[in-house]
Amino acid sequence: QSVLTQPPSASGTPGQGVIISCSGSSANIGSNTVNWYQQSPGAAPKLLIYSNDHRPSGVPGRFSASKSGTSASLAINGLRSEDEADYYCAAWDDSLNGPQFGGGTKLTVL
Amino acid sequence: QVHLQESGPGLVKPSQALSLTCTVSGDSISSRGNYWSWIRQRPGKGLECIGYIFYGGTTSYNPSLRSRVTMSVDTSKNQFSLKLTSVTAADTALYYCARASALRPTGNYAFDIWGQGTMVTVSS
Repeated sequence: QSVLTQPPSASGTPGQGVIISCSGSSANIGSNTVNWYQQSPGAAPKLLIYSNDHRPSGVPGRFSASKSGTSASLAINGLRSEDEADYYCAAWDDSLNGPQFGGGTKLTVL
Repeated sequence: QVHLQESGPGLVKPSQALSLTCTVSGDSISSRGNYWSWIRQRPGKGLECIGYIFYGGTTSYNPSLRSRVTMSVDTSKNQFSLKLTSVTAADTALYYCARASALRPTGNYAFDIWGQGTMVTVSS
């Protein structure tokens, strides 16, 4: 059971926007930064967002994220079919002394 | 370009040890500031960090697996390894190795490079 809680699924139609939430506690999100990973079907996870709201080189501006208190969210604007993937939030947990992942959210582009 | 490649047996018998190696190319495993991790994904499930190791050998393991996990680094081969003992069917998973780097401008860590993963099945 993950210490970071994500909705198991989300969906949207092409061109729309979607927001995926990640809820934690003072031991993780509340005191550390949040990263987001995208895992396309059959592929390894890929870093999508780091340090709450920074995009690595090559990640489109359609992807953005934010953090407030013990929660974080990932926003995807202008959905495209290739965005259909699993999305994971992650944060260091001070109690467990290691990085923790959320359970993942499966995004379906209808 | 940095590349990580997992290797090891795809089938392990229950109660035996699972041993995997991650070969790093394009970066030195002795690079200060990076740490090297094993992350697994059980079939149809999410990601679980097994633990990590710094180049100097300092390790930290997931509390739920700590009693069965050992990680090590071989700087001469630019590799790091995972050993998981007393495996059961619950250890059947896709095992990834990954690099965690302190990314600019914040200096906070993230898993920026991942291997392709290797599937390990525990079965007699």
